[in-house]
Amino acid sequence: GAGVSQSPRYKVAKRGQDVALRCDPISGHVSLFWYQQALGQGPEFLTYFQNEAQLDKSGLPSDRFFAERPEGSVSTLKIQRTQQEDSAVYLCASSLVTVNSYEQYFGPGTRLTVT
Amino acid sequence: GNSVTQMEGPVTLSEEAFLTINCTYTATGYPSLFWYVQYPGEGLQLLLKATKADDKGSNKGFEATYRKETTSFHLEKGSVQVSDSAVYFCALSSGSARQLTFGSGTQLTVLP
Repeated sequence: GAGVSQSPRYKVAKRGQDVALRCDPISGHVSLFWYQQALGQGPEFLTYFQNEAQLDKSGLPSDRFFAERPEGSVSTLKIQRTQQEDSAVYLCASSLVTVNSYEQYFGPGTRLTVT
Repeated sequence: GNSVTQMEGPVTLSEEAFLTINCTYTATGYPSLFWYVQYPGEGLQLLLKATKADDKGSNKGFEATYRKETTSFHLEKGSVQVSDSAVYFCALSSGSARQLTFGSGTQLTVLP
């Protein structure tokens, strides 16, 4: 496809369940970012990959959050033992990093609701 | 650390009115500045960007000028349309990773 895709688009989880959110970046994009967007707020950075290497995970809010990108393409954000405060839209973005261009292209997001 | 403060909404305007959404930032180094737009039911889209001081980004009639002296990047449009109704986010990126730091967003509604 032409853009970043994410699945599922909506996820309802009971508190304590584990969830896995998938991101398919634009083909050839080296960089991949995950953001968390709470209702009525701007997105907040969670973690960053360059190819398969996770270079920055400073934004992950707790050790219940884990992200991987094993082959440098598709990425999965996993949240263990979900809590109500994890309810948010999770956005994935990819970027073709060159000297002059690092525009990030966003996917539609996964809306996670923890009940 | 980096931060972005933008004008709180919601903002409601009549069609063809002038739009300004204020944005100021705090950053280490020399950030790049962006405006993103989120239309109802859609993902974030880059509206315009500026990568150095005094640069003017423009797209679809929207403009913003990178003002280093006032650490600002205000969004303007001379004549808004109903189709401009959306949430607008100011953002910056800096450092080697280029992750974005966003403002809290401004909801714009344009009435016919």
